[in-house]
Amino acid sequence: EIVLTQSPATLSLSPGERATLSCRASQSVGSLLAWYQQKPGQAPRLLIYDASNRATGIPARFSGSGSGTDFTLTISSLEPEDFAVYYCQQRSRWPLTFGGGTKVEIK
Amino acid sequence: QVQLVESGGGVVQPGGSLRLSCAASGFTFSSNDMHWVRQAPGKGLEWVTFTRYDGTNLYYADSVKGRFTIYRDNSKNTLYLQMNSLRADDTAVYYCAKDQSIRGSWPGPLEYWGQGTLVTVSS
Repeated sequence: EIVLTQSPATLSLSPGERATLSCRASQSVGSLLAWYQQKPGQAPRLLIYDASNRATGIPARFSGSGSGTDFTLTISSLEPEDFAVYYCQQRSRWPLTFGGGTKVEIK
Repeated sequence: QVQLVESGGGVVQPGGSLRLSCAASGFTFSSNDMHWVRQAPGKGLEWVTFTRYDGTNLYYADSVKGRFTIYRDNSKNTLYLQMNSLRADDTAVYYCAKDQSIRGSWPGPLEYWGQGTLVTVSS
């Protein structure tokens, strides 16, 4: 199974700052990596798919990059509604797997 | 708009069974692959199982293989998860999710999610 390791576990930032989240795969997943946002008590929401494509309705401040084993989710300028937990997920091989998550909290 | 509404969760004793349902609307259900994903209390997301649009090509996480069965009724726009031999570590919120792929050859990203239904396995 492909293991996805996200870092850091927690990111403490202020509104307006830039957030950089990392996801590393135990083996290459090509570009078949997605990012999801989850707020407390809510279902996850697809943000980025295929490493760098924004999902429908996702603001341009969210961007994804990377390929192979190393991926990054960047939020260019944090808005109050962006404080949440972010998960990466690969669909290169069965079983599909998620990373452990990065919590972006208000500093 | 796309809607996915899960139901069927509740409290069940270890070794018991439960069937979850996911009622879909707002898209052509019979053309989309579907997934179940779960989240234990305070924990991360765990992919559980997948079915292609036509009910074939079923895949399962090792943790549920042989105990859980995914199936669908395209005439009723409903996805199901039959859970048998339940254990305490199956306690979680269970989400159904619509795959982005339409009659594709490989699963896509999980495009839309329901709000989830809580399953608690406890004596």
